[in-house]
Amino acid sequence: GNSVTQMEGPVTLSEEAFLTINCTYTATGYPSLFWYVQYPGEGLQLLLKATKADDKGSNKGFEATYRKETTSFHLEKGSVQVSDSAVYFCALLYNQGGKLIFGQGTELSVKP
Amino acid sequence: DTAVSQTPKYLVTQMGNDKSIKCEQNLGHDTMYWYKQDSKKFLKIMFSYNNKELIINETVPNRFSPKSPDKAHLNLHINSLELGDSAVYFCASRGQNTIYFGEGSWLTVV
Repeated sequence: GNSVTQMEGPVTLSEEAFLTINCTYTATGYPSLFWYVQYPGEGLQLLLKATKADDKGSNKGFEATYRKETTSFHLEKGSVQVSDSAVYFCALLYNQGGKLIFGQGTELSVKP
Repeated sequence: DTAVSQTPKYLVTQMGNDKSIKCEQNLGHDTMYWYKQDSKKFLKIMFSYNNKELIINETVPNRFSPKSPDKAHLNLHINSLELGDSAVYFCASRGQNTIYFGEGSWLTVV
């Protein structure tokens, strides 16, 4: 079946450190891929997306590239801030069939 | 304007009660969802409606009953609440290649 696997958290970094959160997926066909972010006590916000292989999604300094050959969509940021502390979710969606499948979430804590 | 809005945001209720969470989207989308987030932050789909028709029902206990009076609204009614129903419930709607979420409803059953 279709599934998404993220690296285990929590991830703790110092401010201005480089961030990578790994995400791999198992799917038939060609899903769209997403990163959502959930700040403490808040809802889910779309961070970025990519709809086909080799697309790069980017937003607020975060980037992720859709790699079909490695079935991956790793999230990166060059210099994290305390305000980036949140839970990050990788997800996949098929154009037909309709449901968004989430990874288990990775908690990021950035210390000053 | 909030694209997907759900009410209430917080709900504390006793076991055995019946409660509803309402959701509305002003995006003109045909497809709406309910997701449940458990205490470990894991997100799982519960239901999906397309233009008022149920299209996904993910083995949710029949104490949970979604209702879609029109394609802009998808409400969730829960009967005989149990302690294990405590969670965050997210409503969402689907546009072209993207799903937009509401702010969540934090349900605590005591």
